[in-house]
Amino acid sequence: DAKTTQPPSMDCAEGRAANLPCNHSTISGNEYVYWYRQIHSQGPQYIIHGLKNNETNEMASLIITEDRKSSTLILPHATLRDTAVYYCIARYNQGGKLIFGQGTELSVKP
Amino acid sequence: DGGITQSPKYLFRKEGQNVTLSCEQNLNHDAMYWYRQDPGQGLRLIYYSQIVNDFQKGDIAEGYSVSREKKESFPLTVTSAQKNPTAFYLCASSLTGDSYEQYFGPGTRLTVT
Repeated sequence: DAKTTQPPSMDCAEGRAANLPCNHSTISGNEYVYWYRQIHSQGPQYIIHGLKNNETNEMASLIITEDRKSSTLILPHATLRDTAVYYCIARYNQGGKLIFGQGTELSVKP
Repeated sequence: DGGITQSPKYLFRKEGQNVTLSCEQNLNHDAMYWYRQDPGQGLRLIYYSQIVNDFQKGDIAEGYSVSREKKESFPLTVTSAQKNPTAFYLCASSLTGDSYEQYFGPGTRLTVT
């Protein structure tokens, strides 16, 4: 599985868009990019994943660069409840483990 | 109400005792996983199972054991051989095949003194 690099922490004002970057420069052609988040002392929550195309669901949007070496998770209107650690994971999608790095601690402030 | 349950939420044991953590899912998922999380760290895989009666070691299996006798259940035993058992333990499940995400339980916080 490709190694991912994320900033350790970010702040965002409530109601604004939160843009969380992730570098995965060694990603291979069949590895998906997954995003999870973990609120303190709870289990991680799945947010979104993609392979090549940009993806959007009710929680967030995922923008993957054309060379697939980096991606950005966008929370369009951040709320205080979005304060959490966000993990970006590159994973070969054939029934395997998720390799969690340190993640980005997002603080949404009023 | 579908999901993954782990019990108990908090568990205390004396050093030298084995302890079994429960994980049950009613999502009809074939695959189940156990992860360990230490303070300020990401998750590390202990064991995983793709099908009943079969399981594989993850990255940190030493000192742990599992069983998968039923599709719904994947208990984890922390043995006395595990040198640093105090941690937050998370169970997850997923469908197998392409493009399926893992769903996580609420976790069990184990403290061994």
